[in-house]
Amino acid sequence: QKEVEQDPGPLSVPEGAIVSLNCTYSNSAFQYFMWYRQYSRKGPELLMYTYSSGNKEDGRFTAQVDKSSKYISLFIRDSQPSDSATYLCAPKKGNTDKLIFGTGTRLQVFP
Amino acid sequence: SAVISQKPSRDICQRGTSLTIQCQVDSQVTMMFWYRQQPGQSLTLIATANQGSEATYESGFVIDKFPISRPNLTFSTLTVSNMSPEDSSIYLCSASGTRNTGELFFGEGSRLTVL
Repeated sequence: QKEVEQDPGPLSVPEGAIVSLNCTYSNSAFQYFMWYRQYSRKGPELLMYTYSSGNKEDGRFTAQVDKSSKYISLFIRDSQPSDSATYLCAPKKGNTDKLIFGTGTRLQVFP
Repeated sequence: SAVISQKPSRDICQRGTSLTIQCQVDSQVTMMFWYRQQPGQSLTLIATANQGSEATYESGFVIDKFPISRPNLTFSTLTVSNMSPEDSSIYLCSASGTRNTGELFFGEGSRLTVL
């Protein structure tokens, strides 16, 4: 079993839609849960992160972690064409800087 | 934040040759990492570049194939040795931020094609 599983997509939605991106993980030692966004031909950039379980909101983006079910979600409200990118979940243990990346979900938002 | 520059941004190489990728960070960082991203795939950690000591390699990656140097806190190199077409990939350098949150900053990657 992979440590992090993520639906690769692609996911194609119309502008304004609510998008749900999800990951599952197997290692209960993960404490930080990062979401990275990667535009085509660019390096990944941190979008947001949460520590332990719960929700975190940042503008149109909400990250949600359920440690009991080992399930990570990223919600995008009012999606825009500029949100078209690959979204990678990356959980992390507390005592290391090493990230384990999911396969990434490719999102396309069309006007 | 940290700005990471990688050279070369892309290259086409012949089978059996070696290529060294350079990574320069605009500030001193504690941790530097090298990742590989194969076409359509996610990022796989190759190794942690340790300043002043040998790199720490992940399972499936060995020093003879991917020698890494890190002479100081702002610079690292990754060499891909004795290349084969299977090494065609994007190689990404990353560095940790100052916050203890696991945030990594990435370069734009070096796109390598082996013929």
